[in-house]
Amino acid sequence: GNSVTQMEGPVTLSEEAFLTINCTYTATGYPSLFWYVQYPGEGLQLLLKATKADDKGSNKGFEATYRKETTSFHLEKGSVQVSDSAVYFCALRRATRQLTFGSGTQLTVLP
Amino acid sequence: EPEVTQTPSHQVTQMGQEVILRCVPISNHLYFYWYRQILGQKVEFLVSFYNNEISEKSEIFDDQFSVERPDGSNFTLKIRSTKLEDSAMYFCASSATRTAATNEKLFFGSGTQLSVL
Repeated sequence: GNSVTQMEGPVTLSEEAFLTINCTYTATGYPSLFWYVQYPGEGLQLLLKATKADDKGSNKGFEATYRKETTSFHLEKGSVQVSDSAVYFCALRRATRQLTFGSGTQLTVLP
Repeated sequence: EPEVTQTPSHQVTQMGQEVILRCVPISNHLYFYWYRQILGQKVEFLVSFYNNEISEKSEIFDDQFSVERPDGSNFTLKIRSTKLEDSAMYFCASSATRTAATNEKLFFGSGTQLSVL
């Protein structure tokens, strides 16, 4: 079946540090890949997505590249801000509308 | 921006009791979902609902669970007889598109934390 494995958290960084949150997946065929973010007290929001191999999703300074050869979709940001503190979820969708999520990574950015 | 609203934000119940979790999806949306996250575990799909019927459900969504869209605005999840292991954060979501699932954008509510004692 489909599955998503995400980097264990929590992750604590200083402002302006480089962020990587690893995500790998298992799925047949060509799933669509997503990163969702959940800010404190809010629902999950779509951060970025990629629907085919080598696509790069980007939004708000975050990027992730769909790597079919390594079945990965790592999230990166060159310089994090305190306002980026949130829980980040990697997810995939394959064939149906059902999303398969990873377990989430708590990011805390310190000033 | 329009948002999905869930009530209550926290619900406490006794084992064996029925609970109804309520959601108000975005008004022109067509697809509705429930997901849940047990503490420390992954967010799991429960059910999707379209055109007044269930379109997909997971193994978790057994006979103890039901969903309903009783009027034009609410979407509810009922757990008939709660168990301790039903304690989780329950997320409602909705989407507008009729197109392929690939391009669908889901809007999530902020969740209802269900605690079964």
